[in-house]
Amino acid sequence: NAGVTQTPKFRVLKTGQSMTLLCAQDMNHEYMYWYRQDPGMGLRLIHYSVGEGTTAKGEVPDGYNVSRLKKQNFLLGLESAAPSQTSVYFCASSQTSGTIYNEQFFGPGTRLTVL
Amino acid sequence: AQKVTQAQTEISVVEKEDVTLDCVYETRDTTYYLFWYKQPPSGELVFLIRRNSFDEQNEISGRYSWNFQKSTSSFNFTITASQVVDSAVYFCALSGPNFGNEKLTFGTGTRLTIIP
Repeated sequence: NAGVTQTPKFRVLKTGQSMTLLCAQDMNHEYMYWYRQDPGMGLRLIHYSVGEGTTAKGEVPDGYNVSRLKKQNFLLGLESAAPSQTSVYFCASSQTSGTIYNEQFFGPGTRLTVL
Repeated sequence: AQKVTQAQTEISVVEKEDVTLDCVYETRDTTYYLFWYKQPPSGELVFLIRRNSFDEQNEISGRYSWNFQKSTSSFNFTITASQVVDSAVYFCALSGPNFGNEKLTFGTGTRLTIIP
């Protein structure tokens, strides 16, 4: 099992460029999440998905879009990158167990720099 | 609204010393879950423990122990006989029950440095 993988690991963009981050999990998890990690701010939820074909906004969704066309993949898009989106992006997944909130498994992260 | 406070931004201790990382949380949910994650210098996030609000028993796993106290809304993490490999950023996190509240709220983390 590879767990949660993220592509790419590093990326440098110019302001206004677009890109898509890919997250894939092979654990058959229902829930998937995108976070950003900034110094001194911990991890903040951007968007999440509770199942194939569904997405929802998290704490900091502006400037990002997501899609979950397949259960195992969760894409994060930046349509017009801004320097404020320079961050480390983490994808995570978790499984549902009735009303129990299970732990999230994280990918290795993508370091994005917007110049 | 949920909130997690990790007041200790950075801690340094000498190897073999014990160290406690503090976590204070706020929530209106009666059912909730608390987590600790470790982020070593390599950058990945490693799950350490999950505790639900109905289980106030302290937990010990090797050199790690957790003290959950609902009366003070705290979920503190102690490392006994610290080792250099324990150097990392540690995050405390909080979630509501798993129906309609899938958000995991993280604290800002505590950077722990173990000095050899």
